[in-house]
Amino acid sequence: DSGVTQTPKHLITATGQRVTLRCSPRSGDLSVYWYQQSLDQGLQFLIQYYNGEERAKGNILERFSAQQFPDLHSELNLSSLELGDSALYFCASSAEAGRGLSSYNSPLHFGNGTRLTVT
Amino acid sequence: GNSVTQMEGPVTLSEEAFLTINCTYTATGYPSLFWYVQYPGEGLQLLLKATKADDKGSNKGFEATYRKETTSFHLEKGSVQVSDSAVYFCALRPLKGQGAQKLVFGQGTRLTINP
Repeated sequence: DSGVTQTPKHLITATGQRVTLRCSPRSGDLSVYWYQQSLDQGLQFLIQYYNGEERAKGNILERFSAQQFPDLHSELNLSSLELGDSALYFCASSAEAGRGLSSYNSPLHFGNGTRLTVT
Repeated sequence: GNSVTQMEGPVTLSEEAFLTINCTYTATGYPSLFWYVQYPGEGLQLLLKATKADDKGSNKGFEATYRKETTSFHLEKGSVQVSDSAVYFCALRPLKGQGAQKLVFGQGTRLTINP
């Protein structure tokens, strides 16, 4: 058990709809990352938050947004869903202390993912 | 840019066989390198890591050595078990720069071990 909790485990929705994925990081971890895993694209980094602030952005569509709350849990919002958004969405957390050198060696701990199916 | 290339799968071996999964990378400077494993229906778990050249990461019988001269981080295990069946991901984390906050993953290699 990684200590990272993601809900829901499965989500089935229709095109054009909006969904929210939730992630609770490991106790004490300040950084949260979102990744998308699809068969054709592999694991794609979407976005990272550190202590409530956006830290890095990857291949995240404008229809997608995320935030990290004061209690450090994070939500990924996906809107105007398309068939191609069907994928596994993973959240990960790490014990980064900040921008120091040591933080780059911190491993990421992944949740079990939310499987999104858009029909 | 930063990238990771893994050997294409799927890989199928018999129990107790020797395993090698190749991984090479492209990065500016000296990134940290990782192997993650994903069992069916689960998230990725850190298997091992190495943070500088010639470091050897090891865990659960798996090993990988950070080779700067060949920009490689091949995963090896001397005797695989059926329970090692999973998808294995090689990843790097840049030391600094714009990409420094995220892991860059290879495409994954599916390993199946037959009894």
